[in-house]
Amino acid sequence: AQKITQTQPGMFVQEKEAVTLDCTYDTSDPSYGLFWYKQPSSGEMIFLIYQGSYDQQNATEGRYSLNFQKARKSANLVISASQLGDSAMYFCAMREAFNFGNEKLTFGTGTRLTIIP
Amino acid sequence: EAGVAQSPRYKIIEKRQSVAFWCNPISGHATLYWYQQILGQGPKLLIQFQNNGVVDDSQLPKDRFSAERLKGVDSTLKIQPAKLEDSAVYLCASSLGQGGTGELFFGEGSRLTVL
Repeated sequence: AQKITQTQPGMFVQEKEAVTLDCTYDTSDPSYGLFWYKQPSSGEMIFLIYQGSYDQQNATEGRYSLNFQKARKSANLVISASQLGDSAMYFCAMREAFNFGNEKLTFGTGTRLTIIP
Repeated sequence: EAGVAQSPRYKIIEKRQSVAFWCNPISGHATLYWYQQILGQGPKLLIQFQNNGVVDDSQLPKDRFSAERLKGVDSTLKIQPAKLEDSAVYLCASSLGQGGTGELFFGEGSRLTVL
């Protein structure tokens, strides 16, 4: 079974609109972390937002928020007021065990977001 | 603060040739990772170091791939001999290795094309 599932290979969104990128995960570990990374065409992976499995509130970072629904095992990324510079690949990733020296991330297949002017 | 440095950025080789990629992590980061990202896919972990010891290399094709992290700082990933399916971007990342969120910081990657 896939540990991280991103069901949207590509999305087109009008500039200034909000967009939700879907991510579901599968783990039996009670302690885990969820990340979203952005990968522009330059190739670098840019950290956007993090949600810990024990965090009571949804994470927010500027225009990014994470809609964390633990019972459904989903961690969708919401980008408000999208901008042309948001066009990129977006990856959801999960860290399953928070142990010293074991912060391995498993990535989904990604969603290519294109913002239309 | 300097980020994760990788070189070369691009490399084109013939199949059966060898290639080596270099990574310099963020200063003070104990954990170093090499990921392989094939076009259209998410990154796949090849090997993870904690200081100069290997934590996880379960997905490293050991018959052709090797990696080392000398003195717990820089790391080199080698492929010998290369196959067509090794064409990918090789991403190096580092993390503090303790505390915080466990965020990984990535380099810009080394793009390998095998002809």
